[in-house]
Amino acid sequence: DQQVKQNSPSLSVQEGRISILNCDYTNSMFDYFLWYKKYPAEGPTFLISISSIKDKNEDGRFTVFLNKSAKHLSLHIVPSQPGDSAVYFCAASFKGGSEKLVFGKGTKLTVNP
Amino acid sequence: DAGITQSPRHKVTETGTPVTLRCHQTENHRYMYWYRQDPGHGLRLIHYSYGVKDTDKGEVSDGYSVSRSKTEDFLLTLESATSSQTSVYFCAISPRTSGMTDTQYFGPGTRLTVL
Repeated sequence: DQQVKQNSPSLSVQEGRISILNCDYTNSMFDYFLWYKKYPAEGPTFLISISSIKDKNEDGRFTVFLNKSAKHLSLHIVPSQPGDSAVYFCAASFKGGSEKLVFGKGTKLTVNP
Repeated sequence: DAGITQSPRHKVTETGTPVTLRCHQTENHRYMYWYRQDPGHGLRLIHYSYGVKDTDKGEVSDGYSVSRSKTEDFLLTLESATSSQTSVYFCAISPRTSGMTDTQYFGPGTRLTVL
């Protein structure tokens, strides 16, 4: 039973355009969400997070939006750069401050010059 | 970057042999985790530790054991490796200082091939 779903295995965008990566979750007990970026042969690196008390969090070119009623979050990258090409993982944790994260399967983003 | 190292970085072994992977941190973080990453599965938690000698199972713990005798080291052992354990293994650490969810920081990974 997959609780965090990234339904698009891959996404391709042109440099300078917006990249939108989507994530859906099924468990309403999740209340904290994170995005990680992973380059080949490296470990995942933390990108941005959002608490369920917010609906938007922004950090430079990266913005995460949370729609609790739809159990959906998205990561927007504007403008996209070739260096953003990587696999992006969505992760969630449970209310009350869980020590564990539940990860989606990832979306491979390719930004074409 | 968080000070996390994993050793070895690459290992090829044969079915039935024991294998131990090491994760070492210099951040003095309380929590340490072992994940495996496989195509089509994302990152799956194997075991985690919340202190010296305190460990618990994750979602894919069968065939794996762990030990943590020092704050800085977390060992993952495959007692008798199988081909299904061919994977990339990541260690992660987290401070968990506030009782709220803290970000986990990942090591560079170990690529294990079981022939």
